[in-house]
Amino acid sequence: QSALTQPRSVSGSPGQPVTISCSGTSSDVGGYSHVSWYQKHPGKAPKLLIYAVTKRPSGVPDRFSGSKSGNTASLTISGLQAEDEGDYYCCSYGGNYIHVVFGGGTKVTVL
Amino acid sequence: QVQLQESGPGLVKPSETLSLTCTVSGASISSGDYYWTWNRQPPGEGLEWIGYVHYSGSTYYNPSLKSRVTISLDTSKNQFSLKLSSVTAADTAVYYCARRSETGRVWFDPWGQGALVTVSS
Repeated sequence: QSALTQPRSVSGSPGQPVTISCSGTSSDVGGYSHVSWYQKHPGKAPKLLIYAVTKRPSGVPDRFSGSKSGNTASLTISGLQAEDEGDYYCCSYGGNYIHVVFGGGTKVTVL
Repeated sequence: QVQLQESGPGLVKPSETLSLTCTVSGASISSGDYYWTWNRQPPGEGLEWIGYVHYSGSTYYNPSLKSRVTISLDTSKNQFSLKLSSVTAADTAVYYCARRSETGRVWFDPWGQGALVTVSS
């Protein structure tokens, strides 16, 4: 069982917004501004989408955005595109004991 | 640009030691305030942090694996390695190496392509 809780799947039509939640505790998501999000396509390396809760690396489309409220972080894709289909993982710093915790992953399907 | 590539045996017998190497290009592992990381993903499951080694040589491990894990740097080859002892079928996974950001920041970029390791007799 993963430390952070994500929905197993979300889906939407092209152009629609979708949001993926990542639920943790005050010891990880809620306690630090160190939430990151990764996109993974089959057979490919995970790709950093969002870091430090809201920041986007250069080259990541601006339709991807991150936010946090309390112990829950969220990734929003503002206008779903076919190439966004894949698996998405959240990650948080977990303190001096565990350091890093991941979510179980969410499969995004474009209808 | 920085690139990472995992290498090592794809099949390991139960109770033996899993050994993987990550070769880094485009950056020196002995400079810069980075943490050289191993993560893994068992089939059908989510990602799991295994541990990382700071460029200074300090190591940090997942408490659930700490008794079996060693991560080390080989600066002469610009590589870092993972050793996981006493493996069982539960250690079957795709193993990824990655670079963690500097102290005070926590994200992973870039990642290697991943290496599938199967534990079976």
